[in-house]
Amino acid sequence: DGGITQSPKYLFRKEGQNVTLSCEQNLNHDAMYWYRQDPGQGLRLIYYSQIVNDFQKGDIAEGYSVSREKKESFPLTVTSAQKNPTAFYLCASETGTGYNEQFFGPGTRLTVL
Amino acid sequence: AQSVAQPEDQVNVAEGNPLTVKCTYSVSGNPYLFWYVQYPNRGLQFLLKYITGDNLVKGSYGFEAEFNKSQTSFHLKKPSALVSDSALYFCAVRDIGGTGRRALTFGSGTRLQVQP
Repeated sequence: DGGITQSPKYLFRKEGQNVTLSCEQNLNHDAMYWYRQDPGQGLRLIYYSQIVNDFQKGDIAEGYSVSREKKESFPLTVTSAQKNPTAFYLCASETGTGYNEQFFGPGTRLTVL
Repeated sequence: AQSVAQPEDQVNVAEGNPLTVKCTYSVSGNPYLFWYVQYPNRGLQFLLKYITGDNLVKGSYGFEAEFNKSQTSFHLKKPSALVSDSALYFCAVRDIGGTGRRALTFGSGTRLQVQP
């Protein structure tokens, strides 16, 4: 999956817990993205970062938080405020010029027990 | 705001027949258009993109797509389908000239089923 790793592959969370999903890339890409995928709804943007130490909310940021302290890393925290967190989470990166495609990680499937 | 529509939830085609997966878009400026494929429990894989130039774009695995500005469409095509093409296909758009953000907007996906 193109130099982007996500861990863990499967994650189980109890109600009320915060969990952090890891995303690391070795492609030297400036921009990184987090998407949520639910059946029949395509991908929805949670947060994105165009450069280190900067990030913006996407369409469904409520209940999520991110950080971008290093170019290679863009972890996503799913907080207890997220009412329906069970989903498939995908991380992506790109060079940041706007002309190129995004590269996706293999995804993390989060299930709330 | 930018948007993408994939009007078909599923497309069924027999192996060896041509296939088309439809996509229409809406942007305020000029569009950059992308097609991705997803196999079960995997990330998305890039197939092809339209930035500028020829309206017919060729991509990976024998796929191609035709950009039609007047119809605001970017349909994915393949002359001869393979069983291994069965997967979920996503169209995506980035609005370059408008006030839209740099992030991609994805369609809801079309499941392609190729019967042997």
